[in-house]
Amino acid sequence: GQNIDQPTEMTATEGAIVQINCTYQTSGFNGLFWYQQHAGEAPTFLSYNVLDGLEEKGRFSSFLSRSKGYSYLLLKELQMKDSASYLCAVRDSNYQLIWGAGTKLIIKP
Amino acid sequence: DADVTQTPRNRITKTGKRIMLECSQTKGHDRMYWYRQDPGLGLRLIYYSFDVKDINKGEISDGYSVSRQAQAKFSLSLESAIPNQTALYFCATSDGQGAEKLFFGSGTQLSVL
Repeated sequence: GQNIDQPTEMTATEGAIVQINCTYQTSGFNGLFWYQQHAGEAPTFLSYNVLDGLEEKGRFSSFLSRSKGYSYLLLKELQMKDSASYLCAVRDSNYQLIWGAGTKLIIKP
Repeated sequence: DADVTQTPRNRITKTGKRIMLECSQTKGHDRMYWYRQDPGLGLRLIYYSFDVKDINKGEISDGYSVSRQAQAKFSLSLESAIPNQTALYFCATSDGQGAEKLFFGSGTQLSVL
């Protein structure tokens, strides 16, 4: 079966750095997405990786290793507004999105 | 104004009732999707449509139906609601280009008693 694994919850301190991991086993691979979802709100797009390596976008970076079935989202200089759930999703060989359950990130002052 | 609008935002209904959730978008996208989100689970695709004449079942279509009335409108119906359809429902759109990132509506929290 297809599976996306990410930690259920993480806690970090304001101003620090946190890495949220995502491992996947899917039927084929056509890209990996990270979305941010604040409580009670809609998911919003953060990043997209289709080739191995690091994609940097401001305080957020996303890394992909296709051979390892692994990605991470790196958040730097954490702010209280970064408290949210972070959803990892993989597009499989049928171009269907498979979603992880999300990682709830709690930022403490 | 929101680019993807869902109505209602919240709905409480009783088992056996028919209910319709509506979605409209001003993004001009051809592709529209309905997802449900349950605590501890990833988003699951119910139905999707790539244009007005195209309707496709997703992972969990049983108990649901959809109608694509126009490019901008995509509605989801529960013909006879049951308690395990209690969930947060999201409509989403994409332009079908490049990464094909999704743009989500604000969601409809549905409770079936």
